[in-house]
Amino acid sequence: DAGVTQSPTHLIKTRGQQVTLRCSPISGHKSVSWYQQVLGQGPQFIFQYYEKEERGRGNFPDRFSARQFPNYSSELNVNALLLGDSALYLCASSSLGMDTGELFFGEGSRLTVL
Amino acid sequence: DQQVKQNSPSLSVQEGRISILNCDYTNSMFDYFLWYKKYPAEGPTFLISISSIKDKNEDGRFTVFLNKSAKHLSLHIVPSQPGDSAVYFCAASYTGTASKLTFGTGTRLQVTL
Repeated sequence: DAGVTQSPTHLIKTRGQQVTLRCSPISGHKSVSWYQQVLGQGPQFIFQYYEKEERGRGNFPDRFSARQFPNYSSELNVNALLLGDSALYLCASSSLGMDTGELFFGEGSRLTVL
Repeated sequence: DQQVKQNSPSLSVQEGRISILNCDYTNSMFDYFLWYKKYPAEGPTFLISISSIKDKNEDGRFTVFLNKSAKHLSLHIVPSQPGDSAVYFCAASYTGTASKLTFGTGTRLQVTL
């Protein structure tokens, strides 16, 4: 069975540009979460979507947005990129909505902003 | 404000010995705790979890202990194996949130021969 898949795996952007990252959850998982991991830190929660609705948002500016599609895949968009947005962006899926439970992470999309 | 703290950035243990990784938290609303393992160029992988109604959970070589009064949890790996060398993240959440995990900064475990 395929795990969580993310694309692209690596990308380089310049300041002010916009980026879209994509995620396909494990088959049957309806919840998708996005995390940002800056070098030397633990992952930090950005968004969670369940059944195509936003169910949680972390402490990130409005430049960050996301959506979930009917097939439960998800996109994370970041506008007006800053140097500080350089990070590994992790997508995670789970079979639970509002409850706690372990998350299954993809390998991440490494974004470099120059 | 770091609500989940892993104060040891690295730990080196000999193969066959016990590895003990520690984690402290400040938010008393946390009621579910997890450990994730991360290899380079891979996403974190769930290892073991514990609910706040328990003080111990075992899964093979891995045991997690929770001391709620001290707001402290630890992961014990016995015996340690070279394949356990990775970065270990402690994470916490509480019911009523949307599966939002708060992670610590990680501890790099190296198991030497």
